[in-house]
Amino acid sequence: DGGITQSPKYLFRKEGQNVTLSCEQNLNHDAMYWYRQDPGQGLRLIYYSQIVNDFQKGDIAEGYSVSREKKESFPLTVTSAQKNPTAFYLCATWGRSTDTQYFGPGTRLTVL
Amino acid sequence: ILNVEQSPQSLHVQEGDSTNFTCSFPSSNFYALHWYRWETAKSPEALFVMTLNGDEKKKGRISATLNTKEGYSYLYIKGSQPEDSATYLCASDNTDKLIFGTGTRLQVFP
Repeated sequence: DGGITQSPKYLFRKEGQNVTLSCEQNLNHDAMYWYRQDPGQGLRLIYYSQIVNDFQKGDIAEGYSVSREKKESFPLTVTSAQKNPTAFYLCATWGRSTDTQYFGPGTRLTVL
Repeated sequence: ILNVEQSPQSLHVQEGDSTNFTCSFPSSNFYALHWYRWETAKSPEALFVMTLNGDEKKKGRISATLNTKEGYSYLYIKGSQPEDSATYLCASDNTDKLIFGTGTRLQVFP
């Protein structure tokens, strides 16, 4: 079954702790993205990666870090430096043949 | 326009009504305009990718138009059905990333 998986669906963490959100894809897409959604706002780009071992900051990268060691995986770490980490996080890939994005189901992170 | 803006924010219509909503985007450095449908508890799914001024695309009862000179796109739904209830997102594509609007939340009542 081809697609993008994000786990877990819901995640709770204490303030001051780092947390890593996983994103795995078996679509064989080169480019992967992380977005954040807050109430009343559009999806905002955190980081993106066009190819393995390379990634770029998006519009709101502060307090986040990523790695891209494998084509299939693009984990996002929310560090304690992120001031407002509670949000819904969406991972996406880019399909070259369709020229459009494919999204995972998302992870809702709540920092207590 | 510096950002991507969508209106209205939310819309409630009766089953069978036709409806439309707007996406405004920066007309400079335009590459493509994307529309996505995001149903509750699901992932956003692509509806249309539009690139040419005057372009019109259709998928069943849903269609979209594009005006790149003035920087807007309309999404139309003919004869709305309850299964059309979703948030409709548009995004401006500047070749390496998408800039999303806040979405229009549509609810269709039977």
